[in-house]
Order: sequence, then C-alpha cells, then structure tokens
Amino acid sequence: AQKVTQAQTEISVVEKEDVTLDCVYETRDTTYYLFWYKQPPSGELVFLIRRNSFDEQNEISGRYSWNFQKSTSSFNFTITASQVVDSAVYFCALEAGTYKYIFGTGTRLKVLA
Amino acid sequence: DAEITQSPRHKITETGRQVTLACHQTWNHNNMFWYRQDLGHGLRLIHYSYGVHDTNKGEVSDGYSVSRSNTEDLPLTLESAASSQTSVYFCASSGVAGITDTQYFGPGTRLTVL
Repeated sequence: AQKVTQAQTEISVVEKEDVTLDCVYETRDTTYYLFWYKQPPSGELVFLIRRNSFDEQNEISGRYSWNFQKSTSSFNFTITASQVVDSAVYFCALEAGTYKYIFGTGTRLKVLA
Repeated sequence: DAEITQSPRHKITETGRQVTLACHQTWNHNNMFWYRQDLGHGLRLIHYSYGVHDTNKGEVSDGYSVSRSNTEDLPLTLESAASSQTSVYFCASSGVAGITDTQYFGPGTRLTVL
C-alpha cells in the first residue's frame, strides 16, 4: 500500500524563524517521485519541487530546502527565515509508476508578524 | 501561455440535481485528473484519464463520472448531487504518455449541495 503521512496538522512560527514540515511516505516500489505543493489562502495549488527516488541529494532554492532520506522514508521541507507570505497549507505527494498522486493531509503553516 | 481552467468557480445546487464541472487544459497533456479537497482528508482522487477515450476510477469515484472525448477536456459529472459531495474540486493535468511528470492544477471549483 502507498501512503503519505504529514503528522503536523498546523504549525505556528514567528516571522524569521526557521520551520521544518515533515513528510513520511510508504511504498514498495523502487522507482517513485515525491512532490511538495503550496496552497496559499487564495486556494490554488502551486508546485514547489519534484524529486525522484534515485536522487537523494538535498535541494535548496532560496529560503526553501528539502531533505530526502530513503533510509527513513522521509522528504522534509524547511523554510529558512520564514515570512508572512509563507503562510499556507503545504502538501506532500507520492507518485509510483501510475502517474497518480497520493497526497498527505497537509500541514497548515501560520507565520506571525 | 499554456494553462488549465475550471468552470464554474463556484456552484450551488440542490440535492438530486445533475451537475457538470468543466476542466480545460492547453498544455496538450495526455494525463488528466479530478480531485476533491475536504478538511482533514487532503486531496483525494476521483477519476483520471491517460488519454482520449480512457477513463479510470480513483479512490472516491462513487457518484461521479467522467468522459474524455478530446485531449483538452475532462468534464466531471455528479449524476445526482448529494450533500456529501459539497467540496472543493480540483482538476490537474500532467506530461505525455509514458513519462511521469509534474501535475499542474486548475484554480478549483467550490461546489455546495443544499
């Protein structure tokens, strides 16, 4: 069975704090893709990153970074020096060979000024 | 620019009525998907299509149907709307056949069934 768990339902931080959003996945496939999407208060889903199962290099994009660890089946997302505009719901998703996504239930991040 | 659109953006209907939500993409993607988003459940897959005339059931397909007569459109039909189908519906599309690719999402349709 395939599953994505985002155990953190809601996180609140003060602006400029660093915050890590956790994502744990389950799959028996050896080839798979992991994704993060952002859903701001306006409601649209914005693609952030895709990572395949053979690439465990961490990735940094500005204030965003992603830590992929196959040993713990985790694909965590860190925002450095958070800003109010980072306030959103963040979804982690898994795709394994069928083009279909399995989404986590999302983590609502509130960044307070 | 290529895009994916949904209409209507908001819809209020009554129990028992048939409702169709439109999804149109200009990416020329083969794969199209319909999800519903509910609090505490994230996004759940309703139906999906890998190409023209292909449709498949997802996790929560009961009460919904789709048809794919061309590459650009995948309308979602609620045959007899129920209050449990009040939700936000997202359409998405991805890549070309045989290639796993990023899904791009439409803006969503908020459906209320009274």
